Amino acid sequence: EIVLTQSPATLSLSPGERATLSCRASQSVSSYLAWYQQKPGQAPRLLIYDASNRATGIPARFSGSGSGTDFTLTISSLEPEDFAVYYCQQRSNWPLGTFGGGTKVEIK
Amino acid sequence: QVQLQESGPGLVKPSQTLSLTCTVSGGSISSGSYYWSWIRQPAGKGLEWIGRIYTSGSTNYNPSLKSRVTISVDTSKNQFSLKLSSVTAADTAVYYCARDFTPVTGPGDYFDYWGQGTLVTVSS
Repeated sequence: EIVLTQSPATLSLSPGERATLSCRASQSVSSYLAWYQQKPGQAPRLLIYDASNRATGIPARFSGSGSGTDFTLTISSLEPEDFAVYYCQQRSNWPLGTFGGGTKVEIK
Repeated sequence: QVQLQESGPGLVKPSQTLSLTCTVSGGSISSGSYYWSWIRQPAGKGLEWIGRIYTSGSTNYNPSLKSRVTISVDTSKNQFSLKLSSVTAADTAVYYCARDFTPVTGPGDYFDYWGQGTLVTVSS
């Protein structure tokens, strides 16, 4: 099983600041990694797939990068609605597509 | 716009079988080449993929749950269902149904449409 480790667990930032979230895989997943946003009481929302492709309707302030074992989600300038929990997910070791433990982006 | 909605009992006794149904609207469950998945999330914790089904009935399950999980599909009702047997308190979670999204290249899936989730509590 591929383990995804997200860091930091919590990121405290102010609106307008840049957020950088990390996801590290226990073995290479090539570029087969996605990022999701989850707000309280809501289902996750697909943001980025295959490391760097924005899903339909996702604002350009969200970007993804990386390959192999190290991946980054960047939010260029935090909007109030961006404060949420973010999860990464790999599809390399299918059909077991594991998720990371999440990073909470909270208002400082 | 595809929409998914989970339904089923919110309380299940230990050792019994958890049964949930996902109703798909806004399109036929059989249109396109999609798998349909179940994913769960214990309170305050991360996400765990349970399994998926294709409209032909082909299934894949998480090895850690495989012995207890059955996923089925009813295309006439535009629904797919989850059964999880011999439940314990560790199975208490919000259960989501989702549509698998498979980019053109590469293995496996992501999840592009989700239901709102339903909380299932295992307790006597």
